Amino acid sequence: DTAVSQTPKYLVTQMGNDKSIKCEQNLGHDTMYWYKQDSKKFLKIMFSYNNKELIINETVPNRFSPKSPDKAHLNLHINSLELGDSAVYFCASRRTGGSYNSPLHFGNGTRLTVT
Amino acid sequence: EDQVTQSPEALRLQEGESSSLNCSYTVSGLRGLFWYRQDPGKGPEFLFTLYSAGEEKEKERLKATLTKKESFLHITAPKPEDSATYLCAVQGNNQAGTALIFGKGTTLSVSS
Repeated sequence: DTAVSQTPKYLVTQMGNDKSIKCEQNLGHDTMYWYKQDSKKFLKIMFSYNNKELIINETVPNRFSPKSPDKAHLNLHINSLELGDSAVYFCASRRTGGSYNSPLHFGNGTRLTVT
Repeated sequence: EDQVTQSPEALRLQEGESSSLNCSYTVSGLRGLFWYRQDPGKGPEFLFTLYSAGEEKEKERLKATLTKKESFLHITAPKPEDSATYLCAVQGNNQAGTALIFGKGTTLSVSS
């Protein structure tokens, strides 16, 4: 009954490769996110995706591209991986709209190591 | 620019020794302040949402409070299982895509 699930949990790859991380939520939420957590535990927003509207953090390189086949899935594709891409990537979802927003629900993360 | 600052970065307590974690924020139009707990190798787990100054929420040994500039997470008589990183986040009117802006967290260690 996992609410937000990500695969794989660990990903080790070489510089220059292209890789994808998958995310699925079964909470019926309408908005999904990708966050990057660096070695100092700082969570930084990368993308928000709601009803086919994509909001991109301007600091994210265009080698990163989210793809959403439907409301329950938001995948992250990364091209030409670099050493600095090594981090833990978290998928999250929430129900938005109205005066107050519900909390984010996070997956357990994908630890990406680029060698 | 919306900003969240948490202090201290790390806190070591003895079991039963109460203390508080601080979250200072600058945001244009606060729509919500959120507290999360993160265990090693796991995603952040939601604890509380606070919406307006003066609001308080409690859960077991944790109590969150909110003023117009900061929030406190009070931990009463902590136990070793309370050891984790505690994250504070805000939702403001200017954040495109409704994303939360997080602080860098406070890592709490409780020893028996």
